[in-house]
Amino acid sequence: GAGVSQSPSNKVTEKGKDVELRCDPISGHTALYWYRQSLGQGLEFLIYFQGNSAPDKSGLPSDRFSAERTGGSVSTLTIQRTQQEDSAVYLCASSLMRTMEQFFGPGTRLTVL
Amino acid sequence: DAKTTQPNSMESNEEEPVHLPCNHSTISGTDYIHWYRQLPSQGPEYVIHGLTSNVNNRMASLAIAEDRKSSTLILHRATLRDAAVYYCILREEGAGGTSYGKLTFGQGTILTVHP
Repeated sequence: GAGVSQSPSNKVTEKGKDVELRCDPISGHTALYWYRQSLGQGLEFLIYFQGNSAPDKSGLPSDRFSAERTGGSVSTLTIQRTQQEDSAVYLCASSLMRTMEQFFGPGTRLTVL
Repeated sequence: DAKTTQPNSMESNEEEPVHLPCNHSTISGTDYIHWYRQLPSQGPEYVIHGLTSNVNNRMASLAIAEDRKSSTLILHRATLRDAAVYYCILREEGAGGTSYGKLTFGQGTILTVHP
């Protein structure tokens, strides 16, 4: 079956612009996670959605970052007024339930000039 | 989140076993030990996880020390495709845990497999 998909695969933007990154989780997975990986670094947790519960936003680095998950499926991560330090690979993962293994998408490579 | 310590890098030859160690001396009773790996230019993929007993699956084996303060991921016959960064992660799965669900990745171990 289809895995987690993300779009776009690459995004180049200018400093100060807003960007939207999309994640399509595996059908039926109730938990969805966003992480980011800066060059040469490990993965950093950003936000977590579980069913209809309030999301865990504890990893968002600033109020320029927000995410939503519509209809319990597709999720969009929005970064407003992008900065150069936002350049990273943004990874989305989903799992059937929050205690189960996470399946990762291929990521979106964001470059802020 | 409880912290794990892994060697920065390890090397192996193809078709030989590989033992990847992980120390987690501050592990709590509700922490599961998870291993993920990340191949170059890909997202991480799940390898294996366990709580107390040793675990085997089609990809690898996980040996957990009796005191749970360390564990070892075992690749029985390394292939070139196993070259990746391997992450050992403690995942809190007790009811009400604040980190319930999310994974906290460290730097991992870079595994190089020689032909």
